[in-house]
Amino acid sequence: KNEVEQSPQNLTAQEGEFITINCSYSVGISALHWLQQHPGGGIVSLFMLSSGKKKHGRLIATINIQEKHSSLHITASHPRDSAVYICAVGGGADGLTFGKGTHLIIQP
Amino acid sequence: DAGVIQSPRHEVTEMGQEVTLRCKPISGHNSLFWYRQTMMRGLELLIYFNNNVPIDDSGMPEDRFSAKMPNASFSTLKIQPSEPRDSAVYFCASNVGTSGNIQYFGAGTRLSVL
Repeated sequence: KNEVEQSPQNLTAQEGEFITINCSYSVGISALHWLQQHPGGGIVSLFMLSSGKKKHGRLIATINIQEKHSSLHITASHPRDSAVYICAVGGGADGLTFGKGTHLIIQP
Repeated sequence: DAGVIQSPRHEVTEMGQEVTLRCKPISGHNSLFWYRQTMMRGLELLIYFNNNVPIDDSGMPEDRFSAKMPNASFSTLKIQPSEPRDSAVYFCASNVGTSGNIQYFGAGTRLSVL
């Protein structure tokens, strides 16, 4: 079973700061997901990665398959980015294994 | 499309009662996932269907939990009998293909077992 570790667990930053959230996993995978969960509880899929880098607006996700590591970056952070960010790995017939999440608070 | 629809949004029940959670996936999606989220354990996969067939149910906690997908547009997760430790938020998600593809989540059902 894959072990998924996220860091940091909690992060508080000022508006405008560059944010990095890290995810490492123990077993090779076919796909890695970054999810966002807002205070209201809803979960939104941000990225699905199998290699390289993806960008969507101010969000950038990278993955290094050899090092079994992924990062989620937020540029020019804003209070509306405050949420829990969850890394998940897996694919195929195994379903997803989730990290515990990173609680991000962006203060104005 | 309305997205993944779960019902009820909130359920409060007493220990020992049967609980049924419902999910309608996005039309055209052929995979459906049931997840449970608790403070202690975070998000966990309970069961995963592909083309209405259970593919991975290794996350189902015990025999009190059962899930069905009688057709492509409906799934249920049943707990009988319910226990206080089953209190959690239960999410349903769907997608096209395998669990590796982007998944679309429902709003969740918050279950409280007293």
